[in-house]
Amino acid sequence: GQQVMQIPQYQHVQEGEDFTTYCNSSTTLSNIQWYKQRPGGHPVFLIQLVKSGEVKKQKRLTFQFGEAKKNSSLHITATQTTDVGTYFCAGWMDSSYKLIFGSGTRLLVRP
Amino acid sequence: NAGVTQTPKFRVLKTGQSMTLLCAQDMNHEYMYWYRQDPGMGLRLIHYSVGEGTTAKGEVPDGYNVSRLKKQNFLLGLESAAPSQTSVYFCASSRTGTKNIQYFGAGTRLSVL
Repeated sequence: GQQVMQIPQYQHVQEGEDFTTYCNSSTTLSNIQWYKQRPGGHPVFLIQLVKSGEVKKQKRLTFQFGEAKKNSSLHITATQTTDVGTYFCAGWMDSSYKLIFGSGTRLLVRP
Repeated sequence: NAGVTQTPKFRVLKTGQSMTLLCAQDMNHEYMYWYRQDPGMGLRLIHYSVGEGTTAKGEVPDGYNVSRLKKQNFLLGLESAAPSQTSVYFCASSRTGTKNIQYFGAGTRLSVL
């Protein structure tokens, strides 16, 4: 079936280090969204990418959508303790009402 | 502005008991979704609705039923709870479908003993 794979499952970094999570789909995506879930919380929308090769930035966060629209990445520069949480990518397949979530990457930051 | 509200927040059931989880949204969204979240497995879609009076199966629908009698409410029912249904359940809504942001409720933590 349609799948969105996300790696790594966990990442433990020292505060100030960079962090990257990668998302890969078995099929072409019409767009991709990223969500953040704080410990004990619920997923909260971060950003959406629609165009092939698109790059968007939110302060220290950089999001990319692959040229083939099958992969995406989230890069955080100089992590802070406030970045702690699980980051999910989620892809819309063409002609689908369903958003397919990756398994998430849990980020832990050592102060 | 409440957004998406889920009740209850916590529940413990015995195997075989039934219960209904309620999701209410005040954003006039057409689409509503029920997900379950288990460790290491992300969010898996149980059922969804593209409008009042409509429902459809998601990725893991077995053991669950849903109803969308009113646009603002989406109910998830467990007729005979099983330990495998121990999970965190999230409801979400979106204005329409593709390319729309999903807004999530705070979740219901369910344990089935």
